[in-house]
Order: sequence, then structure tokens, then C-alpha cells
Amino acid sequence: EVQLVESGGGLVQPGGSLRLSCAASGFTFSSYEMNWVRQAPGKGLEWVSYISSSGSTIYYADSVKGRFTISRDNAKNSLYLQMNSLRAEDTAVYYCAREAVVVAADMDVWGKGTTVTVSS
Amino acid sequence: EIVLTQSPDFQSVTPKEKVTITCRASQSIGSSLHWYQQKPDQSPKLLIKYASQSFSGVPSRFSGSGSGTDFTLTINSLEAEDAATYYCHQSSSLPKTFGQGTKVEIK
Repeated sequence: EVQLVESGGGLVQPGGSLRLSCAASGFTFSSYEMNWVRQAPGKGLEWVSYISSSGSTIYYADSVKGRFTISRDNAKNSLYLQMNSLRAEDTAVYYCAREAVVVAADMDVWGKGTTVTVSS
Repeated sequence: EIVLTQSPDFQSVTPKEKVTITCRASQSIGSSLHWYQQKPDQSPKLLIKYASQSFSGVPSRFSGSGSGTDFTLTINSLEAEDAATYYCHQSSSLPKTFGQGTKVEIK
């Protein structure tokens, strides 16, 4: 079964750090591009970051640029999101989502998400 | 940034009715428009990719159309299990963006 499982969420104080992980199974992880997408409580979906299948190409939303770092370990079938200098507005459910290596691809597989709460 | 505007924001529909949700892009995105369904406390699920291609396993009552700036998701003969929020998403250019969502309620 194709599956993505996020972990690492929790409660953190403003200015703190957190590292999210996404474990992939059931498919050849190294053949897919990956994204992080978040959803604030009661709000819509917001794309956060993208990483190519090899890890050589990375993009970020302006809202997290300079604070978040996306990475992957294809040997461990894992995707990561290092989040520093966290703000209250980063409070959200964070989803990892798979994307095929084709032009302008959709996100066809999503994890269940992990919740990040930034509060003092 | 490409802004996607969905309409309506909310729709209350009787079972077996037809539902039409539109998504308008602030500039042309070709067919790089995808539709997702999100039920309460669940992650989004892909319904339609590249404006009109049905994703594997999605019921045939879901269909999509459009290109350029105007797109439509149609649910023919709505079923109770279709109560959800629907999002459009463009992958034409960065940053990737989503519409604000359309909540479909069953009367």
C-alpha cells in the first residue's frame, strides 16, 4: 500500500524549532518529487515547500523562506522539514504530499498530517 | 502569484442533485489545474488532474473541465458521502496555490 506518515509535530514556543518527518512506503520514493502543504485551523490549504526527486531543486513559499528547510534521505525513504524561528501563524496541520516527476504535476498521495502548535 | 478564486464558498445540496463548482485563475494556467476533496478531519484526496483527467478510483460522477483561466468541477447525482470541502490547485507556476475551498453540505 502506498503510504505517507508524518511525525514530529507538537507544541512549541514562539521562536522555537521543530523537525517534521514523513516516512514513505509502498512506492519508489526516490522517483518522486515531494511537497509540504499546511492547513491552519479552520482555513484552507497552503503550499509550503517542494523538493525534487534527487534533492537538487528546492523551493519555498515566501512565508517560510529563510526559516524552514526541506530535505530528503532517499536511502531512508524519508522527507523532512526543519522549522526554525516559529511564529504563531505557523500553527497548522502539516501534510507531506507526493508529486510525479512530470511537468506541472498534481499531488496524488497525501499523508494524514502532523499538528504543529506555536504558542507560549 | 497566481490567485485561484472558487465559487461558491458554500453550497447546500439535496442528494441526487448536480453540483457545479468553478475555479477562476488570475492568469492563464493552461490545463495545470487539479481538484481535491477534503472531508472533515481527513487529508485532501485527488479527484481530477490536469483539469479533466479523472484520478484512479474516483467515482465517475466527478468530472472536470476547462482550460486557461476558467475551470469547473461537476458532481453528477450527489451522494451523502460527497459532503466535503473541495479545493482547486494550480501547478503551472511557483508558488503553487490553492483556491479558498468550496464546502458542500448535504440537505
